[in-house]
Amino acid sequence: AQKITQTQPGMFVQEKEAVTLDCTYDTSDQSYGLFWYKQPSSGEMIFLIYQGSYDEQNATEGRYSLNFQKARKSANLVISASQLGDSAMYFCAMREGRGYSTLTFGKGTMLLVSP
Amino acid sequence: KAGVTQTPRYLIKTRGQQVTLSCSPISGHRSVSWYQQTPGQGLQFLFEYFSETQRNKGNFPGRFSGRQFSNSRSEMNVSTLELGDSALYLCASSPFGAGGAETQYFGPGTRLLVL
Repeated sequence: AQKITQTQPGMFVQEKEAVTLDCTYDTSDQSYGLFWYKQPSSGEMIFLIYQGSYDEQNATEGRYSLNFQKARKSANLVISASQLGDSAMYFCAMREGRGYSTLTFGKGTMLLVSP
Repeated sequence: KAGVTQTPRYLIKTRGQQVTLSCSPISGHRSVSWYQQTPGQGLQFLFEYFSETQRNKGNFPGRFSGRQFSNSRSEMNVSTLELGDSALYLCASSPFGAGGAETQYFGPGTRLLVL
């Protein structure tokens, strides 16, 4: 079974609108971290935001916020006031446990922002 | 602080050859992870090094190997290249590679094309 599921292959949004990118995860660990990365066409993965499994508040970083619903095992990324430069692939990732573990990535969502 | 750097950025090889990719982590980071990204398989974990020791390994054949030096710089090597090895190879660094909250920061990647 996939550990990270991103059901939207592509999303279109107009500039200045808000957009939500979906992510659901599967883990039996109580301690885990959820991450969102942005990958422009240049290829570099840019860290956006982090949410810990024990964090009670949703994480926010500027125009990015993470809508964390633990019971539903979802960690959706919300981008407010989209900009043309937000056009990129977006990946949700999870790191399980407290030990030395690796990141598991979803398949990604391509976001296109139009003027 | 300088980010993660990877060299070379682009590489073209032929089947049967071998290739070595280099990664310099963020200063002070001791954990280096390598990922392979292809359109079909997405992002897949190759291996992780910490203090010159391979600590985690993904499900890749033995043709894929790596090492880490005392200054935390890392190299990965692919021997007997196959067409399917064409991919973007991403390196990521973090302070300790610990689970949960620790964020991995990625380099720009090396695009390898095998002809």
